[in-house]
Amino acid sequence: DSGVTQTPKHLITATGQRVTLRCSPRSGDLSVYWYQQSLDQGLQFLIQYYNGEERAKGNILERFSAQQFPDLHSELNLSSLELGDSVLYFCASSVGDRLYNYGYTFGSGTRLTVV
Amino acid sequence: QKEVEQDPGPLSVPEGAIVSLNCTYSNSAFQYFMWYRQYSRKGPELLMYTYSSGNKEDGRFTAQVDKSSKYISLFIRDSQPSDSATYLCAMSDRNFNKFYFGSGTKLNVKP
Repeated sequence: DSGVTQTPKHLITATGQRVTLRCSPRSGDLSVYWYQQSLDQGLQFLIQYYNGEERAKGNILERFSAQQFPDLHSELNLSSLELGDSVLYFCASSVGDRLYNYGYTFGSGTRLTVV
Repeated sequence: QKEVEQDPGPLSVPEGAIVSLNCTYSNSAFQYFMWYRQYSRKGPELLMYTYSSGNKEDGRFTAQVDKSSKYISLFIRDSQPSDSATYLCAMSDRNFNKFYFGSGTKLNVKP
């Protein structure tokens, strides 16, 4: 167990729907990062939050949004879902704002299937 | 062109073999280089990291960086079936603004 908790593990929904993925960072970690992973694109950075504030944005679609709450858990909201959104979504956390510890701790991911 | 290129494999080797995994990159600003291991149905876990050029050894694993060629490698000696996983390289500039990941190489070590 990495200490980063993601729920749910699997999610099946229909096109056009909206879902929320949840992430609880490792105890003591203030930064949360969201990634999506597909076979052809690999791991793609979506967005980072540090202590409740958005810190960095990657290739996140306008249909997607995220937030980090005062208890430091984070939610990734995906709306107007399309078949191509059927990939793995990972959350990772780190202690600081920058990755001076050379790496994140990843959760086990949420597999989203859009039908 | 992707920032980081990695051969997806799969790479299949017999137990005990020496494995070489590689990534190339295009951004000369990258200073920090990492290797992650990802088992099936799990998130990636940090395996090794290096700064700038040179080698770093940790047990059976050796990470090598050649900045002049924009090429990094991970060597696994005496490979074991438990090493069967997907290996992802990752890199960042000196400000750690963002990580760039390779797409991963799937390794299968046969007993």
